[in-house]
Amino acid sequence: NAGVMQNPRHLVRRRGQEARLRCSPMKGHSHVYWYRQLPEEGLKFMVYLQKENIIDESGMPKERFSAEFPKEGPSILRIQQVVRGDSAAYFCASSSDRVYEQFFGPGTRLTVL
Amino acid sequence: SQQGEEDPQALSIQEGENATMNCSYKTSINNLQWYRQNSGRGLVHLILIRSNEREKHSGRLRVTLDTSKKSSSLLITASRAADTASYFCATDEKGGGNKLTFGTGTQLKVEL
Repeated sequence: NAGVMQNPRHLVRRRGQEARLRCSPMKGHSHVYWYRQLPEEGLKFMVYLQKENIIDESGMPKERFSAEFPKEGPSILRIQQVVRGDSAAYFCASSSDRVYEQFFGPGTRLTVL
Repeated sequence: SQQGEEDPQALSIQEGENATMNCSYKTSINNLQWYRQNSGRGLVHLILIRSNEREKHSGRLRVTLDTSKKSSSLLITASRAADTASYFCATDEKGGGNKLTFGTGTQLKVEL
């Protein structure tokens, strides 16, 4: 049973470009969460999605950031017009039910030049 | 202190010794989870303890939870060099919608 998959593992963008991060949850999991980790810090919650629905986006910046989890395919975290402050590791997690363990993917390390 | 704050921030021990890390939080929780993160890598889920549990074991790991003090501890017995990593606690707050709140972590170094 494959774990949570994220790609790409590393992404380099220039300021103003768009970044698309993908996450495929563990088989049988319908809940997906995105977190961001700045250097030397813990993870910060961004958004929680179920299939086709955003459940909680309280941690996501109001502008430039969006997330989706379509009926078919992976969850996508999209960052438009990236700035240097967006450089971080972005982790996706999934769970099988809203009160159980969250399992994390390997993360996507975004570097904005 | 912030939700899910770990103590100490860094810990250095010799192989074979026990390592204890503490976590404090502020709000009522559904459960508390401990994760390990090796440098530059993803998070590995270690153990989940529910709010109605007081102690849980998994191999060389022992986790305690004191909801009256809003604190948890992670004990790693007979540590190994491979245990070198950062350890985070994460809380699932009641009414918080299942999002996890992480602390800044404890950096554990186990020396040979």
